[in-house]
Amino acid sequence: KNEVEQSPQNLTAQEGEFITINCSYSVGISALHWLQQHPGGGIVSLFMLSSGKKKHGRLIATINIQEKHSSLHITASHPRDSAVYICAVRSRTGNQFYFGTGTSLTVIP
Amino acid sequence: DVKVTQSSRYLVKRTGEKVFLECVQDMDHENMFWYRQDPGLGLRLIYFSYDVKMKEKGDIPEGYSVSREKKERFSLILESASTNQTSMYLCASSWLAGGVEQYFGPGTRLTVT
Repeated sequence: KNEVEQSPQNLTAQEGEFITINCSYSVGISALHWLQQHPGGGIVSLFMLSSGKKKHGRLIATINIQEKHSSLHITASHPRDSAVYICAVRSRTGNQFYFGTGTSLTVIP
Repeated sequence: DVKVTQSSRYLVKRTGEKVFLECVQDMDHENMFWYRQDPGLGLRLIYFSYDVKMKEKGDIPEGYSVSREKKERFSLILESASTNQTSMYLCASSWLAGGVEQYFGPGTRLTVT
């Protein structure tokens, strides 16, 4: 069983649509990360959060610690948002990261 | 800006060869990590290091070893490459343990034939 579950696995959206990607985890955490990976492999860290909500431009990340759930929202999606989005959590008890398998997003013009 | 670089973007090796993957970071980070990424399995931790000459096994250390002789450099070694080690290898670094952002390198796509 995966400690981190993401949904959906694949997502296709029209340009301009509002997108939500969900992440649920089963371990106690010190922080949760949202990562973005473009074709070619490079990974960029989008957010690190341990409570509440963060916003960078069109991206919003929220976390509910009690429910062990986080969401990544993209407003006014654009084809350049097409990428794999990965949820990762750092365990509270150790130096351990757990990763979701990623959500592959394709935004069509 | 933190920069994490990896020695190769693409690598093709034969079964049984010894393979070195190098990772260098320029921000004096204590922690460095090696992951492999496979379709449907996500990122899996191979080894990490929290200081020079210190290392700890991750989830899938079998068939790999690591070396950290200098703080900025963390090497992943495949002593005898096998076809099931064909994968994308990602290096990352971070300041400290616990809730701190990791910075990733561009990845090395290794093919073992």
